[in-house]
Order: sequence, then C-alpha cells, then structure tokens
Amino acid sequence: DAMVIQNPRYQVTQFGKPVTLSCSQTLNHNVMYWYQQKSSQAPKLLFHYYDKDFNNEADTPDNFQSRRPNTSFCFLDIRSPGLGDAAMYLCATSRGSGATDTQYFGPGTRLTVL
Amino acid sequence: SQQGEEDPQALSIQEGENATMNCSYKTSINNLQWYRQNSGRGLVHLILIRSNEREKHSGRLRVTLDTSKKSSSLLITASRAADTASYFCATDSNDYKLSFGAGTTVTVRA
Repeated sequence: DAMVIQNPRYQVTQFGKPVTLSCSQTLNHNVMYWYQQKSSQAPKLLFHYYDKDFNNEADTPDNFQSRRPNTSFCFLDIRSPGLGDAAMYLCATSRGSGATDTQYFGPGTRLTVL
Repeated sequence: SQQGEEDPQALSIQEGENATMNCSYKTSINNLQWYRQNSGRGLVHLILIRSNEREKHSGRLRVTLDTSKKSSSLLITASRAADTASYFCATDSNDYKLSFGAGTTVTVRA
C-alpha cells in the first residue's frame, strides 16, 4: 500500500512559470519534509512541517514556498523556476522529530525546467 | 550542510560477492542511518545505529559504527541484482534534521 504519494512523478515547466508539486501520506505522521536532490548529490532539506508549524532551512531560496492544509497533504510551490531548480523533489514523513524517528520517502517528482 | 561522506562513490561487484561502503562524518551524532535509493525513486530506510552501539545486523546487512573515528560502514553480504542502488548514510546532530552524504552507487552484475 502506498504510504507517501507524490504527484506528478514527472513535471515539465517553463523557465519562470510557477509550478506546484504535491505530496500526500496515509501514515498520519506529524512531520512532513521536502528535499531537493540534484543528480548524484545528497538530498538537501528545503523545509519541514511539524503539524502546522513551518520550519524553513536558512539557505532555502525565497522562490520555494510550502503549504500544508491538513495532516495528509503538503505542497511545494516554486514561484519562478530557474534552470538550476531542475532536480528530483522528495517528500518524506516521520511520526515525530526525535533522533530515532525513521523518515518515509515518497517516490519523488522529477522536475524539468525548459 | 552535508555532514556525511560515503566512500567509494561507486562500486561494481559480481552477484554473490559482498559489498562494503563507508561513511565518514564531521560532528558528534545521536545516531546514524543508512538508506537505499533505487534509480529514479525515493529513499528507503535500511537500518539505524545509535551512537552507543558498535554493530547492528538486519538480514544481509551489517552496519558498524566507530564514533572515535566518526565513521560507519555498511556491508551487504551475498549481493543480489536487486541490491543495485545508491546507498546513503544520514546523520543527525543536535536536532531532528538528517544530513545525507552524496551516496555510494552499487552495481551488482549477474
């Protein structure tokens, strides 16, 4: 059974055209994360929600925003995608934010910027 | 910032052989986790080892942790074609955040 679902799996957008990526979870986890992963690189945390509390990483560009309307859904909005934003975007969840909480990842959305 | 570094970057082995990869990190940790990522997919949690543990096993996986050297190793025994993937170590320091290394890409040849 799918636990962390990301839609779409592949997204193509034009330079500067806003795009929204979607993540949903059936685990009822408190924490949801968004990571950016470029080719052959480590996943990089962009931000996360603990319930409704939003936590932005210091080096996440303003171009990236997120919304979590309810426990199950979280969205990543890229307001004006640049060529450098082409990457795999991974959503993850965890029950809590403790050191031993395992993160469960979705399959990712691969974003192409033309 | 990236805390862990995996070594080697890539590894190619024959089916049935063992695969060993290493992870080094910079600051003290609460625990260290290993994740697997199949090509074009999300990450899957494999194993977590706490800072007070030295070795842990899960099926064909064996993880060691040496906090004095700030390093960990992941051993996959009797490798299978399905083990072909990238393997990432992830550390947490003083909070919940996981910091991933760049990964080791393992190719298991049939």
